Amino acid sequence: SQQGEEDPQALSIQEGENATMNCSYKTSINNLQWYRQNSGRGLVHLILIRSNEREKHSGRLRVTLDTSKKSSSLLITASRAADTASYFCATPDNFNKFYFGSGTKLNVKP
Amino acid sequence: KAGVTQTPRYLIKTRGQQVTLSCSPISGHRSVSWYQQTPGQGLQFLFEYFSETQRNKGNFPGRFSGRQFSNSRSEMNVSTLELGDSALYLCASSSDGGPYEQYFGPGTRLTVT
Repeated sequence: SQQGEEDPQALSIQEGENATMNCSYKTSINNLQWYRQNSGRGLVHLILIRSNEREKHSGRLRVTLDTSKKSSSLLITASRAADTASYFCATPDNFNKFYFGSGTKLNVKP
Repeated sequence: KAGVTQTPRYLIKTRGQQVTLSCSPISGHRSVSWYQQTPGQGLQFLFEYFSETQRNKGNFPGRFSGRQFSNSRSEMNVSTLELGDSALYLCASSSDGGPYEQYFGPGTRLTVT
C-alpha cells in the first residue's frame, strides 16, 4: 500500500511555538499534499509539493520533501490556537487515487 | 463559488438497512471522490467518478456503490449496513480529476446501530 504514515500521532505545544510533523510514504510520487481537518469535519488543502521540489513555503507553512527517503515534513511557525486540528499528508497515484496518512493531531494551547 | 455540499450531515440507521448519501461538487468540477474515515482505519478511498464514469475504486465490498449524474452530482449507496460501516463519509471534488488539490465537503456522519 502507498499509504503514508505520520509522526508524531499527537503533538501539544504552546501558542507561538513551532510545530513540526512528518510523513513517510512507500512508492514513487508525482506530488505530495498536506491537508488540515478540524474536529471531524471536511479536509482543507494546505499545500502541494511536486516530486522535483525540495521545499515550499506558504505563509506560516513550510514543507520539505525528500524523495530519496520517501518522507516529507510540515512546519507551522508561530502557531496559534486556531491551528489546532489534525494534519494529513496525501499522495495521489498515477490513477488519481489518493492515499492519506494516519494524521497528526495538533493541539495548540493558548 | 459555493463549496462542496453533502447531505444529509447526520444519519442513524439500523443494521441491514441501506443508505444513500449525496454530494454536490463545486460548480464546474467534473471529478468526485468518496472517502470513508474511521478512527481505526483512517481515511480510505472508496471510489472516484469523472464525467459520470467510475474511474477508480478502492478495496471495499460490493455493498458500497456510487454513481454520478450529468450535472456532476454524485451519490453513494451502502446496502445491508453493518456496524462497522459507522463512519464519516467525505466527498471531494476537483476540476479535471488530476492528482491535484481536492476540495472536501463537510462529510456525512453515519451511525449504524
